[in-house]
Amino acid sequence: DIVMTQSPDSLAVSLGERATINCKSSRSLLYSANNNNYLAWYQQKPGQPPKVLIYWASTRESGVPDRFSGSGSGTDFTLTISSLQAEDVGVYYCQQYYGGPFTFGQGTKLEI
Amino acid sequence: QVQLVESGGGLVKPGGSLRLSCEASGFTLRDYYMHWIRQTPGKGLEWISSIDGLARGIDYVGSVKGRFTISRDNAKNTLYLDMNSLRDEDTAVYYCASGGPDVGGAYWPFQQWGRGTLVTVSS
Repeated sequence: DIVMTQSPDSLAVSLGERATINCKSSRSLLYSANNNNYLAWYQQKPGQPPKVLIYWASTRESGVPDRFSGSGSGTDFTLTISSLQAEDVGVYYCQQYYGGPFTFGQGTKLEI
Repeated sequence: QVQLVESGGGLVKPGGSLRLSCEASGFTLRDYYMHWIRQTPGKGLEWISSIDGLARGIDYVGSVKGRFTISRDNAKNTLYLDMNSLRDEDTAVYYCASGGPDVGGAYWPFQQWGRGTLVTVSS
């Protein structure tokens, strides 16, 4: 199974400041035939299901604010929130869909 | 409006069975891969099963193989998860989620999620 490891486990950032969450996979998520990284980022707020923010490592889902961005390739990925807003508080997960079983990182709790 | 609504959760004794349902509205279930994912405080998010649009391709995580069965009724726009031989460690919130298109969408992010249904396995 592909193991996904996020860092840090929790993060406190001031309003308007940048937040950075890292995700490392135990094997490359880059599929050479199409040059896509099979990596997604989700945000989960209390009492709600996860919501996809970023997929193919850097493609923003429709309706997601442009302060959210994803980067990285292969085994190392980053989710960046450029200017933290109060509504961004929650838990963030990375997930690989390169191969089954599809696996998630343990989550990063983002607080203000 | 695209919506997924799970039902069927509840309290069940170890060794018991339960059937979860996931009704889709606002889109045609047949056109998409569908997944079941569960969440516990201890193990986090765990993908447990997927099924393609016409139920030709089905997969499970190892811990539920032989105990859980995923199925779909496209006429009813509904996804199911039959859970047998339930264990304490199956206690979780169970979500259904849509994946990629039926053709070529086996490896795709989980784009729409239901709100989940709680399954508690306890004597």
